[in-house]
Amino acid sequence: GAVVSQHPSRVICKSGTSVKIECRSLDFQATTMFWYRQFPKQSLMLMATSNEGSKATYEQGVEKDKFLINHASLTLSTLTVTSAHPEDSSFYICSARNRMNTEAFFGQGTRLTVV
Amino acid sequence: KQEVTQIPAALSVPEGENLVLNCSFTDSAIYNLQWFRQDPGKGLTSLLLIQSSQREQTSGRLNASLDKSSGRSTLYIAASQPGDSATYLCAVTPSGSRLTFGEGTQLTVNP
Repeated sequence: GAVVSQHPSRVICKSGTSVKIECRSLDFQATTMFWYRQFPKQSLMLMATSNEGSKATYEQGVEKDKFLINHASLTLSTLTVTSAHPEDSSFYICSARNRMNTEAFFGQGTRLTVV
Repeated sequence: KQEVTQIPAALSVPEGENLVLNCSFTDSAIYNLQWFRQDPGKGLTSLLLIQSSQREQTSGRLNASLDKSSGRSTLYIAASQPGDSATYLCAVTPSGSRLTFGEGTQLTVNP
């Protein structure tokens, strides 16, 4: 299947700093990318949907100024957690679909810990 | 609003047993359904994708079925192995491109 690479896999940052997470589709063009957040022993919660070249669509309750999403190219989307707080500590996963919009492929996830 | 339910929430079986995981969804107007596997602290690995026009898909020891009219899908795992231990998630794609996930079934296969 197609490969989606997410980086970094783990990051620890101090409160008040910003952290950028990258999501790349390695062997296909991803017209749509999704960012999820997952709490321990829970399923994935969709945060936002990004389409290449346009603004991301955020789910209700997700602060767009805190979770900045950029989808500048067909192979790269980034999520920046701004002014991070300990409650932002979580597992973040990206997903991508190709132009045919069929199967969804997921990155390896990023474990963010804010201290 | 589409809702996806997975039963059971957790399952523990001895090695070699055949098992069935269940997934149900409330809105039958889906584009496709996917089964994923998630190991602890990892991302999701796509196992099987069933298009809305299909009834089942098979890959190795895995077989997934889809009954759109009743809003159900099953994932059958034959001859289970300890390496199959993971959380299994089903997700449906309604119209558009976003996925709606179930809560998952945590499977433990004991040697």
